[in-house]
Amino acid sequence: TQLLEQSPQFLSIQEGENLTVYCNSSSVFSSLQWYRQEPGEGPVLLVTVVTGGEVKKLKRLTFQFGDARKDSSLHITAAQPGDTGLYLCAGGAGGYQKVTFGTGTKLQVIP
Amino acid sequence: DVKVTQSSRYLVKRTGEKVFLECVQDMDHENMFWYRQDPGLGLRLIYFSYDVKMKEKGDIPEGYSVSREKKERFSLILESASTNQTSMYLCAGADSNYGYTFGSGTRLTVV
Repeated sequence: TQLLEQSPQFLSIQEGENLTVYCNSSSVFSSLQWYRQEPGEGPVLLVTVVTGGEVKKLKRLTFQFGDARKDSSLHITAAQPGDTGLYLCAGGAGGYQKVTFGTGTKLQVIP
Repeated sequence: DVKVTQSSRYLVKRTGEKVFLECVQDMDHENMFWYRQDPGLGLRLIYFSYDVKMKEKGDIPEGYSVSREKKERFSLILESASTNQTSMYLCAGADSNYGYTFGSGTRLTVV
């Protein structure tokens, strides 16, 4: 069974601070996705990375896929209260587009 | 804007009832998924479907069944609802790079 461990589990920071969330596995994935989920809603896809070493930027969010395609990171610059939510990584490797979801990081940005 | 629509946001059902959760997508996705999300347990795959009338068990299929009579509709059925099936249920469709589009979720309470 493929497992994706995220760290930290919880993060509470002040507005304007920077943070990094990590997603690690011993398995190789063909693609890696990051989602953000707000309370009472479904997760929303932020980005998909498919190439080892790939870096993608989405405004203040920077996503990196590890060279060996076993891990990923999400860096947020100058966090804002609107960034509050549950961040989930997910790795794709199986058939039929099945993915393995990470354990999640709950982020709270305090104004 | 592409969408996955879940028919109910909130449901309250009695123990022993047969419960239908409906999901409709307008993205022409072949692959659709049903997950449940519980605190501390993350997203767990119940069933998925890779084509009309085709279905595969996920990690926790016990107590559930599914139906996919048309490409755009994927239904989750709780044959005889129990209190341990109280949860947030999420439906998703997948694109070619494993990126999922989720519905808004159905919060089911079984009393």
